[in-house]
Amino acid sequence: DTQLTQSPSSLSASVGDRVTITCRASQDISSYLNWYQQKPGKAPNLLIYAASSLQSGVPSRFSGGGSGTDFTLTISSLRPEDFATYFCQQSYTTPYTFGQGTKLEIK
Amino acid sequence: EVQLVESGGGLVQPGGSLRLLCEASGFTVSSNYMSWVRQAPGKGLEWVSIMYSGGNTYYADSVKGRFTFSRDNSKNTLYLQMNSLRAEDTAVYYCARFRLTWGEFDYWGQGTLVTVSS
Repeated sequence: DTQLTQSPSSLSASVGDRVTITCRASQDISSYLNWYQQKPGKAPNLLIYAASSLQSGVPSRFSGGGSGTDFTLTISSLRPEDFATYFCQQSYTTPYTFGQGTKLEIK
Repeated sequence: EVQLVESGGGLVQPGGSLRLLCEASGFTVSSNYMSWVRQAPGKGLEWVSIMYSGGNTYYADSVKGRFTFSRDNSKNTLYLQMNSLRAEDTAVYYCARFRLTWGEFDYWGQGTLVTVSS
């Protein structure tokens, strides 16, 4: 199975900060990496697909990068509604594994 | 508007069975790849199963041989039959549409909670 390791597991930041979350795959997954945001009690919401493509309707302050084994999700200027948990997911091969999540909290 | 609505969750004893439903609207499930993803309380996301548009199904090793993914095209509804349930199957179960271009889950239901406990 392809393991995905996110770092950090949790992060405290302030409104207006720029934050970056990383996701490392245990094998080369090309650009088959997607990012989701999840708020408490809600289903995940797709933010980024194919490592760097912004899903329709997602604000442009979200961006993704990387290929191969190392990927990033960057939020350029945090807004209050961005405080949530973020997951990466690989779609290169089954099982379609997820990272363990990064909880973004208000400082 | 695309919508996915899960139902069928509840409390079941270890070794028991449960059938989850996912009713879709705004698109045709038989023309899409569909998946189940679960999330144990306070934990991360775990992919459970996928059904291709042609009907082929694949499962995570953790549920293989116990869970069966099926669909009723006339009702535009998906099913997850869960047998021989274990405590570690306790989770919120989501159905999600799998977009074939890059394998992303672009639409999710609200989830249904399955609790396996005596």
